[in-house]
Amino acid sequence: QLQLQESGPGLVKPSETLSLTCTVSGGSTSSGTYYWAWIRQPPGEGLQWIGCIYFTGSTYYNPSLTSRATISLDTSSNQFSLKLNSVTAADTAVYFCATRAMVRGPFDSWGQGTLVTVSS
Amino acid sequence: DIQMTQSPSSLSASVGDRVTISCQASQDINNYINWYQQKPGKAPKVLIYGASHLEPGVPSRFTGSGSGTEFTFTITSLQPEDIGTYYCQQYERLPWTFGQGTAVEIK
Repeated sequence: QLQLQESGPGLVKPSETLSLTCTVSGGSTSSGTYYWAWIRQPPGEGLQWIGCIYFTGSTYYNPSLTSRATISLDTSSNQFSLKLNSVTAADTAVYFCATRAMVRGPFDSWGQGTLVTVSS
Repeated sequence: DIQMTQSPSSLSASVGDRVTISCQASQDINNYINWYQQKPGKAPKVLIYGASHLEPGVPSRFTGSGSGTEFTFTITSLQPEDIGTYYCQQYERLPWTFGQGTAVEIK
């Protein structure tokens, strides 16, 4: 199984851009085996899929984020990243990076999650 | 979006009890549903994929069934380590969506 680790600021001001990186070990982000995904969980609430990227660079996003999210892949660093612009308090959440194998359905590798708080 | 309606939102049961959680999809998702367990402060862990397939390494007391729009997750004999929140998730169609979760506690 892959090992994933999120990193990035834990506090972001309203209207600014949230930026997170997921570092992958035990596998390659240039592999065609996986979707590389971001999922978030507001405090005390359920899970929301944000979006994902494939090794070709193809991206898929949750429309509920109204085009604020951008996911990118850095195969040279074996990382993938999330940017979420124009954040508000509603974007306060634990952000997880995760993978889903192309031939299987579940998200079967997850990072530990990182709490991002949106506050001035 | 496909809505996943999970019930109940919480339950309390005794050790050894049979526990059942339901998930209803707003449209036919074939068998493209997964079930996860999440413990406080941790990432979710997949238990069942493709409606009824047990993830390797997961105890056999966890089972899944159903088809179309109606799905069931069962713990055949509840153990103390099973406390946590359980989520269903569909992957039939983007955006992939989760149920609201079921919090399981020991009575």
